[in-house]
Amino acid sequence: ILNVEQSPQSLHVQEGDSTNFTCSFPSSNFYALHWYRWETAKSPEALFVMTLNGDEKKKGRISATLNTKEGYSYLYIKGSQPEDSATYLCARGANNLFFGTGTRLTVIP
Amino acid sequence: NAGVTQTPKFQVLKTGQSMTLQCAQDMNHNSMYWYRQDPGMGLRLIYYSASEGTTDKGEVPNGYNVSRLNKREFSLRLESAAPSQTSVYFCASSEARESYEQYFGPGTRLTVT
Repeated sequence: ILNVEQSPQSLHVQEGDSTNFTCSFPSSNFYALHWYRWETAKSPEALFVMTLNGDEKKKGRISATLNTKEGYSYLYIKGSQPEDSATYLCARGANNLFFGTGTRLTVIP
Repeated sequence: NAGVTQTPKFQVLKTGQSMTLQCAQDMNHNSMYWYRQDPGMGLRLIYYSASEGTTDKGEVPNGYNVSRLNKREFSLRLESAAPSQTSVYFCASSEARESYEQYFGPGTRLTVT
């Protein structure tokens, strides 16, 4: 089992604050690191897939970095908005993905 | 495009009953997956099909069987349902390469009493 750990488990931020979460994973036999956004009552939606050490990806106010040598990835949200409230999942693997339990973000207006 | 569709949306079974969860995708993806989501746990892969005609076990395959009927459809069967299989089941699909993101269906909420 390739354990993927995410922290914090949950957090509340004020609208306009910037925030970040961590995904940790075993660094051996690395293929790819995925980030998904999962809103309540919906399905997970892909944010980023990263494969190379040092990868940085950005989509609007959300960005992610990857360090495969030390086994971690950060997800950053700049200027959080209420619509950013969701659970953010990371997963490691190729076809056979291993997911973390997610970070539940609540943005308070 | 409908994306990934799943039927049914909800189902209640009695212990020992059987049922098949259906999944279809219209994105011409090669790979398809079945996950289960339980409270306090991450999504866990049950089975996947890397391409038409192939299936492989994931992390939690016991008690399930799958069929990749064609490129579009991937079904999950519970032969003899148990209360431990009460869960939300998600189907997903992706291109074959590992760097491609997975697209998820809306989920099936299954309760086994």
